[in-house]
Parts: sequence; structure tokens; C-alpha cells
Amino acid sequence: EADIYQTPRYLVIGTGKKITLECSQTMGHDKMYWYQQDPGMELHLIHYSYGVNSTEKGDLSSESTVSRIRTEHFPLTLESARPSHTSQYLCASSETLGALSGYTFGSGTRLTVV
Amino acid sequence: GQQVMQIPQYQHVQEGEDFTTYCNSSTTLSNIQWYKQRPGGHPVFLIQLVKSGEVKKQKRLTFQFGEAKKNSSLHITATQTTDVGTYFCAESSYSGAGSYQLTFGKGTKLSVIP
Repeated sequence: EADIYQTPRYLVIGTGKKITLECSQTMGHDKMYWYQQDPGMELHLIHYSYGVNSTEKGDLSSESTVSRIRTEHFPLTLESARPSHTSQYLCASSETLGALSGYTFGSGTRLTVV
Repeated sequence: GQQVMQIPQYQHVQEGEDFTTYCNSSTTLSNIQWYKQRPGGHPVFLIQLVKSGEVKKQKRLTFQFGEAKKNSSLHITATQTTDVGTYFCAESSYSGAGSYQLTFGKGTKLSVIP
């Protein structure tokens, strides 16, 4: 079944650690996105990609980085985690060019940095 | 992207009552999407509106796009406890190379009292 997967679902990690949040989709979508969302709050776009080897920063400044080496994979990396990075990170994808379609979101990674 | 304003921020209704959330913009929107996020969950795409004055229905949900394409509404008839969650509108803006970005409103959090 076509879907979008995020791992881990929950992560508690110490300050200064390097972490990578995984996101994979099996729908063949070229466009992928990372959003940051604090509990009960709005979604903020932090990174997006229009295809392989394409990455752009979103509206919200973030210390994280992303890569897009394969169409289906869009991991997000924090080189040195800080308590201010504590949040939920949501990955999403959408169909390629043409008519704008709805985004499909993964289940998210809830990150806590202690 | 543009910022869409959503009102109200919170709404508490008795089960069986109707509920409406509004999404407003100072500029003309190319299209608008609506999402629902259950507590602890991820946003799920509900619908996209493109045409001026468009009205679409999904069971008890009615979505409307204003004639001037500057506002949109989501109306739920006879709410049920399963309607609990946060409803987000999102507007798309052209970001070049034939692609669009979504910018989300702050959402309306709906509580349904049994």
C-alpha cells in the first residue's frame, strides 16, 4: 500500500547529540516537505524538495539539514540537538507538477531533547 | 507565502450542534485546501477548492470558496465526538519551476461535548 513512513515515532535524546529523522514514501512523489509543529500549534515549513538533489529552506529558519539522494527518501538531520529543538517533525509528500494535490503526511516524529 | 487567518482559534460545541470555521485572506487565493488533525495525530487532507464560489460536500462537511476567492469556510452539521480535532486551511502560492508551496493557517481547535 502506498504510504509515507517516518521513524522513529518518538525520540528522547541528550543535548549535543546528532540525530537523523527518517522519512520515506512509496507513492513516487517528487515533492517532499518537512514541517515543524509544537503541540496544538500551527505547522511551519522548514525544508522542501522538488526532486532528487533538490533541497530548499522553508519559511521557518531551522538548524537542521536535509538531503534528497533518492526520490523516496528525505531524511532530516540535526548535527547538535538542543532543548529548543524539542517539537514534532512532520514529513509530507505531494504529486509532481500539474494540478496541485493534497499533501500526504507521515505520522510524525516527536522529538524531546533533554 | 501569504498568511491566511483562521477564526475562531477554539470552538467548544455540544454534540449535535453545528460548527463553522473560517479562513480569510487579504489577497486573492489561487486555491485553498482543508486538513483535519486529530489530537496526537497528523494532518489528513480533506479537500481542495479551486473555483470561485465553489461548494463541495463530504457527508456532514460542507466546504465553500468565496466568490472573490479571498475566504473559505468549513461547516460541520450535527457534530459528533469523532469530529474532535484541529481543522487547518492552507493556501498555495506559486514558488517557481511549475511548483507550489502550501502555507497553513493557525487552525481551529474543535471540542465536542458529549
